Amino acid sequence: DVKVTQSSRYLVKRTGEKVFLECVQDMDHENMFWYRQDPGLGLRLIYFSYDVKMKEKGDIPEGYSVSREKKERFSLILESASTNQTSMYLCASSPNVPGGSSDEQYFGPGTRLTVT
Amino acid sequence: GQQVMQIPQYQHVQEGEDFTTYCNSSTTLSNIQWYKQRPGGHPVFLIQLVKSGEVKKQKRLTFQFGEAKKNSSLHITATQTTDVGTYFCAGMPVRGSARQLTFGSGTQLTVLP
Repeated sequence: DVKVTQSSRYLVKRTGEKVFLECVQDMDHENMFWYRQDPGLGLRLIYFSYDVKMKEKGDIPEGYSVSREKKERFSLILESASTNQTSMYLCASSPNVPGGSSDEQYFGPGTRLTVT
Repeated sequence: GQQVMQIPQYQHVQEGEDFTTYCNSSTTLSNIQWYKQRPGGHPVFLIQLVKSGEVKKQKRLTFQFGEAKKNSSLHITATQTTDVGTYFCAGMPVRGSARQLTFGSGTQLTVLP
């Protein structure tokens, strides 16, 4: 069964703290993604990775960095958390299917981060 | 960059009524996907449309992809309380980074019993 797990469901951090959000998938997927979800804005892509040690910026990378040292793990880092980074963070993964016949993304349960 | 607009933002229907959500992209898409997110849950893939003019059905759900591959719709016939949730479309551009999706803002469906 397909599974994407995230390290925490809820997290409360103080302004200025360094925050690590971890995501692990057990499907041997090449692609992994980090989104943030805010009411009325849908899902916005922060960063994604299509291979180990590879990363690309999404639509809103400012204030975030990522790390992918192993295929199954993709970490999101907030170098200095700010209150405007309070949000729901969703990790997803997808396989590279020849011919692009299915680009389905599998999502983790999400981490609700509050920065005070 | 690519933008995907989705309307309406909210929809309340009586159980048994139909429901439609619409999605429009600023650029031509390689494919479009639809996801459902139940309250308190995470998005779950429903379907992917690839061909111009494509229509696919899943029981009471009908998905369409426009001829120009820039718009799409999801129609639910005779809604049930189990249909409650937020429905997102997500478009993959023809050009640009592989496998990167741009999500619409979602339509939150409430079904009144």
